[in-house]
Amino acid sequence: SFELTQAASVSVSPGQTARITCSADALTNHYVYWYQQKSGQAPVMLIYKDTKRPSGIPERFSGSRSGTTVTLAVTGVRSEDEADYYCQSTGSNDAWVFGGGTKLTVL
Amino acid sequence: EEQLVESGGSLAQPGESLRLSCAASGFTFSSYAMSWVRQAPGRGLEWVSGISESGDKTDYADSVKGRFTVSRDNSKNALFLEMNSLRAGDTATYFCTCQGLFWGPGTLVTVSS
Repeated sequence: SFELTQAASVSVSPGQTARITCSADALTNHYVYWYQQKSGQAPVMLIYKDTKRPSGIPERFSGSRSGTTVTLAVTGVRSEDEADYYCQSTGSNDAWVFGGGTKLTVL
Repeated sequence: EEQLVESGGSLAQPGESLRLSCAASGFTFSSYAMSWVRQAPGRGLEWVSGISESGDKTDYADSVKGRFTVSRDNSKNALFLEMNSLRAGDTATYFCTCQGLFWGPGTLVTVSS
């Protein structure tokens, strides 16, 4: 199985764009999913298969990939976006792998 | 509306067993693979186990392999996690999820003497 690496924290001012990255050598052959988790709540899927948004997710959440690094961008950050963000992929034997999570702070 | 609700979490002593349940409604449960994901207090998400739509294929994280068993009853729209030989390190909120799209609110398992 492989590991997904995320920065522990990211801070941005309201209205700016936050970029949260997730990297691993083995990501080349695997899709990545992104989740938002607010304190005391269950995760919510923001992005699936690198770039697609589930129904109901605002367009200001977007996903992109460059080689073995995938990025979640949050444009026009709002105070309500303050949360933990996790990337997830699938390793051997269909086992899910999560990144360590990135805490987004809105200044 | 799709809904998942976990139950069965409680305080257990090391070495004891617990059985978690997840009741599904609002979608065709039998058409989807399901997973259990846990989160220790103040820590990140950890995948625990997955099961195929029919239940004939199961997968486990190395940390629980041989101790936990996942199963489902499609006639009752229910998912289960049998947890044996519990350890302090199993203390966490356990979530059931339908392919990451729908999640339950979680149920807390505390393993302590």
